Amino acid sequence: NAGVTQTPKFQVLKTGQSMTLQCAQDMNHNSMYWYRQDPGMGLRLIYYSASEGTTDKGEVPNGYNVSRLNKREFSLRLESAAPSQTSVYFCASSIYHAQGGYTFGSGTRLTVV
Amino acid sequence: GESVGLHLPTLSVQEGDNSIINCAYSNSASDYFIWYKQESGKGPQFIIDIRSNMDKRQGQRVTVLLNKTVKHLSLQIAATQPGDSAVYFCAEEKYNNNDMRFGAGTRLTVKP
Repeated sequence: NAGVTQTPKFQVLKTGQSMTLQCAQDMNHNSMYWYRQDPGMGLRLIYYSASEGTTDKGEVPNGYNVSRLNKREFSLRLESAAPSQTSVYFCASSIYHAQGGYTFGSGTRLTVV
Repeated sequence: GESVGLHLPTLSVQEGDNSIINCAYSNSASDYFIWYKQESGKGPQFIIDIRSNMDKRQGQRVTVLLNKTVKHLSLQIAATQPGDSAVYFCAEEKYNNNDMRFGAGTRLTVKP
């Protein structure tokens, strides 16, 4: 069982470069999420998609865009990377509104230099 | 307990002892609470959840206690094992809001 798959696992970007983080789940979940995790802090919600075709901002959306490509896939795009976006990014999914908790991917460690 | 900042609260216990990890949540309207475990280099993993209409829920070796009066959540781990060493996060949500908020985490270290 793959669960939630994130690619890439590691990435180094130069300031101003763009990139897309990919996320796919195979559990037929309706809701998907993108979080960032900074050292010594909990996870902060960037964007979420409650269901296919919808996306909404979370706590820290500035500098990011998302696309819910289909029910399985939810991508996160950094249009012009900044050093403040250096973080570990986690994608998660849930069947409905966190019933039973979220299933998380293994994360993407992004460094912006 | 939970705090915000660069330094995680830490808890160190002997193997075989019971562990209690505490969390103070912020939103009195939250009605769904979850504990997650995060091992180094991995994503958070669901441990146990509880709804606000309950004050206690038990799983395998874990118990979550909820005190809504003081907005306090705790996770008890029985007979702690080395494999329990990880960072533990509490999370809160107002049901149907899709806005789960996480605490900063507590690092549990189990000494053999």
